[in-house]
Amino acid sequence: DGGITQSPKYLFRKEGQNVTLSCEQNLNHDAMYWYRQDPGQGLRLIYYSQIVNDFQKGDIAEGYSVSREKKESFPLTVTSAQKNPTAFYLCASNGGGHTDTQYFGPGTRLTVL
Amino acid sequence: GQNIDQPTEMTATEGAIVQINCTYQTSGFNGLFWYQQHAGEAPTFLSYNVLDGLEEKGRFSSFLSRSKGYSYLLLKELQMKDSASYLCACMDSNYQLIWGAGTKLIIKP
Repeated sequence: DGGITQSPKYLFRKEGQNVTLSCEQNLNHDAMYWYRQDPGQGLRLIYYSQIVNDFQKGDIAEGYSVSREKKESFPLTVTSAQKNPTAFYLCASNGGGHTDTQYFGPGTRLTVL
Repeated sequence: GQNIDQPTEMTATEGAIVQINCTYQTSGFNGLFWYQQHAGEAPTFLSYNVLDGLEEKGRFSSFLSRSKGYSYLLLKELQMKDSASYLCACMDSNYQLIWGAGTKLIIKP
């Protein structure tokens, strides 16, 4: 089946530790996105990539880093510099056309203790 | 600034019709998306409107008025499984999606 996978579903980390969230897609999509979702707020864009080996900061990139070494994969690292990392993280992808629909993975709920 | 407004929560009865409104103020406009999101799950795509008017897809319809900066999602013959949050997202002139906070729809039997 084609789709987007994120792992793990739930992640717990101690304060001060870096953590990497996985996102893989087999839809042959060019563009991939990372969002953060907090209660009572709209999705906020962290980083996006429209092509391999290239990515751009979104609205809230501080404290996060990404890489795009393969078309299928777009991992997100939440660093210790992120002040409030506990959130629901969603990865999405689309064909790369400007108005193409974004399709989402199941999300990773990160809790920093 | 850019802003998307939608009600925080709505309640409706199984079998009835509900309309979820969304108003937007963005720098430029390249279309409006509606997504459904069940608690703890991924948003799933429902509709995309870029021209004025009503788009119907089975029990769900979406309407857009660009001059009023307004859209609504209409859900007919409500089922219990329609209990979810409904997210409105507007694409601005830079083709970035601006997301509303979502409307939590509660369906009562």
